[in-house]
Amino acid sequence: DAGITQSPRYKITETGRQVTLMCHQTWSHSYMFWYRQDLGHGLRLIYYSAAADITDKGEVPDGYVVSRSKTENFPLTLESATRSQTSVYFCASNYGGVYNEQFFGPGTRLTVL
Amino acid sequence: AQKVTQAQTEISVVEKEDVTLDCVYETRDTTYYLFWYKQPPSGELVFLIRRNSFDEQNEISGRYSWNFQKSTSSFNFTITASQVVDSAVYFCALNYNQGGKLIFGQGTELSVKP
Repeated sequence: DAGITQSPRYKITETGRQVTLMCHQTWSHSYMFWYRQDLGHGLRLIYYSAAADITDKGEVPDGYVVSRSKTENFPLTLESATRSQTSVYFCASNYGGVYNEQFFGPGTRLTVL
Repeated sequence: AQKVTQAQTEISVVEKEDVTLDCVYETRDTTYYLFWYKQPPSGELVFLIRRNSFDEQNEISGRYSWNFQKSTSSFNFTITASQVVDSAVYFCALNYNQGGKLIFGQGTELSVKP
């Protein structure tokens, strides 16, 4: 089925561990985005990518690493998880440009103990 | 700086009441788009509407309507005759550059009680 998927949907980890959140889209969208959603902050952009092998920082990139070797995949890695990274993470994609809406994945709820 | 403000954190209404969700934005760009998204209790984000900076016509879609006023930098969303299924968090967002990045407001949690 076409769409955007995220895995895992729920993850509990411990402080200091490395965690990778996966995002996969089937629309061949050029742009992909990672957001985190926290109470009182709405959604904040972590990283985004304009195409394969092109990534850039968003508003809150510290503590996160991304890569994009294939157009359809955009994994987000927390290299050494901290409690402040407990959040709901959303992946999104679109064709870029100021006009196009973003299509969001179902989200990953991450808890760092 | 680009910014979106949704000053209403939570709104509670009784079914069939009309409700307006406020959105105020800041940008120096002359070309931009504004969006509204809905996040129901199930958690997914659903696109509702976009409006470009050159089109100040109001938009109506069923019970939903949007009022865009550049003079006050506002893009407010009204639900007429609210229903329990309208209960959700609503986000207003701004897109001002070709990268497609969105700047979101903090969200307004709407609770519609029967």
